[in-house]
Amino acid sequence: EAGVTQFPSHSVIEKGQTVTLRCDPISGHDNLYWYRRVMGKEIKFLLHFVKESKQDESGMPNNRFLAERTGGTYSTLKVQPAELEDSGVYFCASSHLRHTNTGELFFGEGSRLTVL
Amino acid sequence: QKEVEQNSGPLSVPEGAIASLNCTYSDRGSQSFFWYRQYSGKSPELIMFIYSNGDKEDGRFTAQLNKASQYVSLLIRDSQPSDSATYLCAVVAGGTSYGKLTFGQGTILTVHP
Repeated sequence: EAGVTQFPSHSVIEKGQTVTLRCDPISGHDNLYWYRRVMGKEIKFLLHFVKESKQDESGMPNNRFLAERTGGTYSTLKVQPAELEDSGVYFCASSHLRHTNTGELFFGEGSRLTVL
Repeated sequence: QKEVEQNSGPLSVPEGAIASLNCTYSDRGSQSFFWYRQYSGKSPELIMFIYSNGDKEDGRFTAQLNKASQYVSLLIRDSQPSDSATYLCAVVAGGTSYGKLTFGQGTILTVHP
């Protein structure tokens, strides 16, 4: 069974540009989460999808970040325009609905974003 | 005060020893506690979860929870070089969904032969 896959693994862009990160969850996982780790800090929650609906987006830092999950399968996270402080590793995680109340998440390897 | 605190380490132990990783949390209403292991450049991987006070054992791993002291720990017995990784403590705060984890910064563990 394929794990959570994320693309790209590393993106280097200039301040003001746009970047779109993609996450393919494990097949059949209706829960999809985005987290990020800024340099030197802990991993922080961004948002949670259940199928195509945003369940909780309380961790999104500002309106430069837009997450979508059309069709309830893969998800994208767009940063527009990117700022220096957006640099970090963006993790996607997924879980089956039956694990919604256990906290067992399957993480991808992350997309490293570097904003110059 | 950070919501979840861990010693960043590095923690270095000899092969075969017991590695003890500690974590404290600030929200007394926290309900679920997790330990993830992350090898460099790889995805965090869940290795233990614990919900109730006391000990929970799984193979060489034991998670310990003391809600009164707001403390959770992970013991790794018979440590192996392959256990060398960053260990992340994560907590689900009270009143939040189970997928909304609050992480500590992680403890780097090195097991030397």
